[in-house]
Amino acid sequence: AQTVTQSQPEMSVQEAETVTLSCTYDTSESNYYLFWYKQPPSRQMILVIRQEAYKQQNATENRFSVNFQKAAKSFSLKISDSQLGDTAMYFCAFMNNNAGNMLTFGGGTRLMVKP
Amino acid sequence: GAVVSQHPSRVICKSGTSVKIECRSLDFQATTMFWYRQFPKQSLMLMATSNEGSKATYEQGVEKDKFLINHASLTLSTLTVTSAHPEDSSFYICSAREGPMNTEAFFGQGTRLTVV
Repeated sequence: AQTVTQSQPEMSVQEAETVTLSCTYDTSESNYYLFWYKQPPSRQMILVIRQEAYKQQNATENRFSVNFQKAAKSFSLKISDSQLGDTAMYFCAFMNNNAGNMLTFGGGTRLMVKP
Repeated sequence: GAVVSQHPSRVICKSGTSVKIECRSLDFQATTMFWYRQFPKQSLMLMATSNEGSKATYEQGVEKDKFLINHASLTLSTLTVTSAHPEDSSFYICSAREGPMNTEAFFGQGTRLTVV
């Protein structure tokens, strides 16, 4: 079974600064996907960024980028130019294409962006 | 992105009664839907996976007779909490995927269930 670990329960960052959220995972699979989801106070889950394991290039979506280290099984999220609207819970998630496409979530990191 | 609508957003029911939560894909056909439970300040825990037209697959520890899941059409899945008890109070979230090869899951807004 896959496990996803987020070692930072809470983090804070000043507005306009950069913050990195950590995520590690454990799997014996070689074909999988990794995701970062954002859950704001509304509780709506929002996809932030996605990474295919077979791609070496790190995914980037505007202010959001990842550092994918496959050998180390690490998948960190960097948020640049943090905005107040980035305040939310962030969940790292793993999906194995060979296991029904189900998502396994990490425990989450609560990010607070301070003005 | 595609839209998944979950209803109701909040529900309060008495102990011993049943409550039904609906999850609809509004602009795509969802061959697979997932139901999650989320306790306060915790992560999402998968309860079950349902494929259209077949029985749901429940995760270990989830009582299938208590949490009835029906996925009768490609746009609708329902979760019925039967004989609800206060410990069933939680936040329930559905997600839907368009096809087996589609990697992106779209989430509903969630339902806060309170059993009194």
